Amino acid sequence: GDSVTQMEGPVTLSEEAFLTINCTYTATGYPSLFWYVQYPGEGLQLLLKATKADDKGSNKGFEATYRKETTSFHLEKGSVQVSDSAVYFCASVSGGYNKLIFGAGTRLAVHP
Amino acid sequence: NAGVTQTPKFQVLKTGQSMTLQCAQDMNHEYMSWYRQDPGMGLRLIHYSVGAGITDQGEVPNGYNVSRSTTEDFPLRLLSAAPSQTSVYFCASRDFGQGYTDTQYFGPGTRLTVL
Repeated sequence: GDSVTQMEGPVTLSEEAFLTINCTYTATGYPSLFWYVQYPGEGLQLLLKATKADDKGSNKGFEATYRKETTSFHLEKGSVQVSDSAVYFCASVSGGYNKLIFGAGTRLAVHP
Repeated sequence: NAGVTQTPKFQVLKTGQSMTLQCAQDMNHEYMSWYRQDPGMGLRLIHYSVGAGITDQGEVPNGYNVSRSTTEDFPLRLLSAAPSQTSVYFCASRDFGQGYTDTQYFGPGTRLTVL
């Protein structure tokens, strides 16, 4: 079945460092891909998405490119801030209404 | 818009007790769903609904019941709580307008502990 695999955390960075969180997927078709972010004590919020191969999603300085050849959707940010500290979830959806598949989540901690 | 709201925020139950987690949305979304979040396992789908009167099972439905009498509300019932149901529960909703590429909107969550 479909699945999403993320790099394990926690990821600890200093402010202004470069961030990469790896995400790969397996799917029978051509899924849409998402990154959600969960700030402490809150629900999940959509960060960015891409619906077809080679699409680049971007928001708040974060970017991710849908790579069909490597079945990946890695999240990147050039210069992280303390306020980016959160848990990041990669997710895929394909086919029917309910097939939103989440990765396990990666916790990011950014220190001043 | 309030978005997706959930009550209560925290709940402690004893094994065997029953309770209902409430979820409401004011965006007139047709699709609503319940997830549970456990450490190292991401979010797993419990039940979902594609409209009033229509519900179906997700990945981990055992021990949970749902109903959808209105577009706005989608309560999740635990009939006989078990320690394995200790988790954080999220309700989500989205519109069907553009199919499965649409954004899901999540509530703030309910943290449930079963002793």
